[in-house]
Amino acid sequence: KNEVEQSPQNLTAQEGEFITINCSYSVGISALHWLQQHPGGGIVSLFMLSSGKKKHGRLIATINIQEKHSSLHITASHPRDSAVYICAVRSFGNEKLTFGTGTRLTIIP
Amino acid sequence: NAGVTQTPKFRVLKTGQSMTLLCAQDMNHEYMYWYRQDPGMGLRLIHYSVGEGTTAKGEVPDGYNVSRLKKQNFLLGLESAAPSQTSVYFCASSYSRRMNTGELFFGEGSRLTVL
Repeated sequence: KNEVEQSPQNLTAQEGEFITINCSYSVGISALHWLQQHPGGGIVSLFMLSSGKKKHGRLIATINIQEKHSSLHITASHPRDSAVYICAVRSFGNEKLTFGTGTRLTIIP
Repeated sequence: NAGVTQTPKFRVLKTGQSMTLLCAQDMNHEYMYWYRQDPGMGLRLIHYSVGEGTTAKGEVPDGYNVSRLKKQNFLLGLESAAPSQTSVYFCASSYSRRMNTGELFFGEGSRLTVL
């Protein structure tokens, strides 16, 4: 069982819908990253968080340390949000990030 | 400001050949990482460096070597390529591991095929 589990694996939604992607992990962590990988393959960092909530534009990331769970929300989704969203966690004192296998999001116009 | 640049972006090798992937960053980052991405699997750490002149093994280091002679460059070498090393390789860097300066910056990826 992977230390980082993402759900759903695939998500298709209509433009404008509110999107939620979930990430659950099994170890104590010092930080959690949300990344976006576009169809061309490039990877961009969206958020790095260890507690609470962060917001950037239409994207919101939350984390519940006690429940070992994080969510990435996209409001007013747009076709350009179509990408693979990846969750990664760093356990305490460890250089290694453990990555989820990603959630493929497709937004239909 | 180029960020993180990987070269080459594509390469086809025959089994047994050697090659070097170059990662260059112009952000004065201390930490640099090499990952591989395979279908159905999350990114996996090959080797990493916490500063100039340092390197360390990640979770899948076998068959790879690295060097960090200059702070801005992190080289990944394959001494004798094997078909199992067919993958997309990503370099990443960060200033630190701390929350305010630990954001990861990725290169565009290098697609390697070993025949």
